[in-house]
Amino acid sequence: EPEVTQTPSHQVTQMGQEVILRCVPISNHLYFYWYRQILGQKVEFLVSFYNNEISEKSEIFDDQFSVERPDGSNFTLKIRSTKLEDSAMYFCASSEAGRLVAETQYFGPGTRLLVL
Amino acid sequence: AQSVSQHNHHVILSEAASLELGCNYSYGGTVNLFWYVQYPGQHLQLLLKYFSGDPLVKGIKGFEAEFIKSKFSFNLRKPSVQWSDTAEYFCAVNAKAAGNKLTFGGGTRVLVKP
Repeated sequence: EPEVTQTPSHQVTQMGQEVILRCVPISNHLYFYWYRQILGQKVEFLVSFYNNEISEKSEIFDDQFSVERPDGSNFTLKIRSTKLEDSAMYFCASSEAGRLVAETQYFGPGTRLLVL
Repeated sequence: AQSVSQHNHHVILSEAASLELGCNYSYGGTVNLFWYVQYPGQHLQLLLKYFSGDPLVKGIKGFEAEFIKSKFSFNLRKPSVQWSDTAEYFCAVNAKAAGNKLTFGGGTRVLVKP
């Protein structure tokens, strides 16, 4: 069964450094998402992406964050200058369709980011 | 803004016991509803979903959930749990008028004692 994959599984970085989290969505899916879960808190939506542009973003997704689909398979989340409060588990998800059709989002295993 | 609440943070029960996890949401429009499960060390997996039609939906591994629109609820049930059901369970809602993002509840950790 096709799965969403994410790399790395764990990342430790120093405050102020840039990090790039990578995701490979399911191959025939068109909508891609990033969510995060700070330890002890709810899973929160960050951003959705369709047709090579952001379709929706949350208040959390400020100018420090960006997303990109650099090629036909990868979907990345970049944090330009990490802060301590960016420490969280970051989940990528994808769905076959999105806004106009009720669809299921399939999640990757997550990347645990620790900012020191 | 939509929100989702799960009433229990932790549930401990013995094998063969029945399980019911509560989920309530706050949103007056059309919603799609999901239960995801995260087994230890694994990623979020879809247990079941409700989009429309019969409000009683059946999912994988013997789970079912009932959508009660008047109560804004989507409770998850399993008549007889197994040790392998030990996991964290997340209720999630997509309010169609608010785009395609999911809003999650806080999760319920379920421990099934053998």
